[in-house]
Amino acid sequence: GAVVSQHPSWVICKSGTSVKIECRSLDFQATTMFWYRQFPKQSLMLMATSNEGSKATYEQGVEKDKFLINHASLTLSTLTVTSAHPEDSSFYICSATDTRSSYEQYFGPGTRLTVT
Amino acid sequence: GEDVEQSLFLSVREGDSSVINCTYTDSSSTYLYWYKQEPGAGLQLLTYIFSNMDMKQDQRLTVLLNKKDKHLSLRIADTQTGDSAIYFCAERPPGTYKYIFGTGTRLKVLA
Repeated sequence: GAVVSQHPSWVICKSGTSVKIECRSLDFQATTMFWYRQFPKQSLMLMATSNEGSKATYEQGVEKDKFLINHASLTLSTLTVTSAHPEDSSFYICSATDTRSSYEQYFGPGTRLTVT
Repeated sequence: GEDVEQSLFLSVREGDSSVINCTYTDSSSTYLYWYKQEPGAGLQLLTYIFSNMDMKQDQRLTVLLNKKDKHLSLRIADTQTGDSAIYFCAERPPGTYKYIFGTGTRLKVLA
């Protein structure tokens, strides 16, 4: 149980384009999803917290207009990187939790984004 | 402030024990976690310990918690080449769903 998937697992896009990453909870309802960014050989940095049906809460220093997060259902959250630049290349990991029953976060396998 | 620190690198021989250390600053943390990340993959929860515990053992894994020194360790017995990965400790302060991750320790197991 508590499986989280991400799609795609890796994506290459050109500078200036937008790319959408999906995070799905497969066997549970996720009231809250978290989006992390991980640079090579570094730790995970929390970007934003999204609650189903409401606007995401972004961490300090994360551009809201650049990283659009939508959490429209209890099983799906999306992160859209708009007008991507090479410096946006990174490993993006989501996690999900059902805050009605647990504090535990369940992590997706990650999406590697390369912007050329 | 909240900060979690780990040593960056550890190398051990196959069959030896590995000890990965972590220090944290939030004295009110409730749960402390250990995650494993293999190359190009997400995080796999290995084990966790509640802050009112001193030790937890799960097969080859032993977690020790020294609350006075705010020090957490993960011991892997009989380390195998498949244990080569990055290990993250994380703390979750009370009343929050947010995890604070350490810097990660890269474990290399030599055959």
